[in-house]
Amino acid sequence: DVKVTQSSRYLVKRTGEKVFLECVQDMDHENMFWYRQDPGLGLRLIYFSYDVKMKEKGDIPEGYSVSREKKERFSLILESASTNQTSMYLCASLLAGSPTSYEQYFGPGTRLTVT
Amino acid sequence: DQQVKQNSPSLSVQEGRISILNCDYTNSMFDYFLWYKKYPAEGPTFLISISSIKDKNEDGRFTVFLNKSAKHLSLHIVPSQPGDSAVYFCAASNSGGGADGLTFGKGTHLIIQP
Repeated sequence: DVKVTQSSRYLVKRTGEKVFLECVQDMDHENMFWYRQDPGLGLRLIYFSYDVKMKEKGDIPEGYSVSREKKERFSLILESASTNQTSMYLCASLLAGSPTSYEQYFGPGTRLTVT
Repeated sequence: DQQVKQNSPSLSVQEGRISILNCDYTNSMFDYFLWYKKYPAEGPTFLISISSIKDKNEDGRFTVFLNKSAKHLSLHIVPSQPGDSAVYFCAASNSGGGADGLTFGKGTHLIIQP
């Protein structure tokens, strides 16, 4: 079974703080993703990565950056947290080139509150 | 511009009956569609998917139908069970293998009444 873990389930930070959200997957997947989920908005793609050291902007990258130094780990960074970044953050991974499935495996999520 | 639309924020169905969740899309380049189920405080879990070259895919109690000409898909759950109460997200991909991420709808909260 694929396992995607996220470093924290709940996090409370102050406005202006630098925030690191960590994600680790154990199935040697090349592709990793960060989404945020907000009520009434569904899941929106922030950043994704095809492989180590590679990163691409998703639909809502403003205010975020990412780091992928190792294949199994993908970090989301909020350089200066703001209250509008209060959200549920979801990490996912995908086995590249699977002929039968585009299924992304999700972690349990981190509920971030910025006060 | 919302490319994947789930127009029903919530749906209430009696236990044992059929649940039908609908999804519409606007991007003709989408080639793969997925349904995810999400419980509160958990990550989404994959439920079922369908390629754009098919019109139906079935897995146990779950069936997904795709009408390409109408740009519409639906998820049927028969029979509905209490454990099916969750938020269901429709998602679509327009890249090879989904490597560029998925585009999600806003979700439908399914409530199964005993």
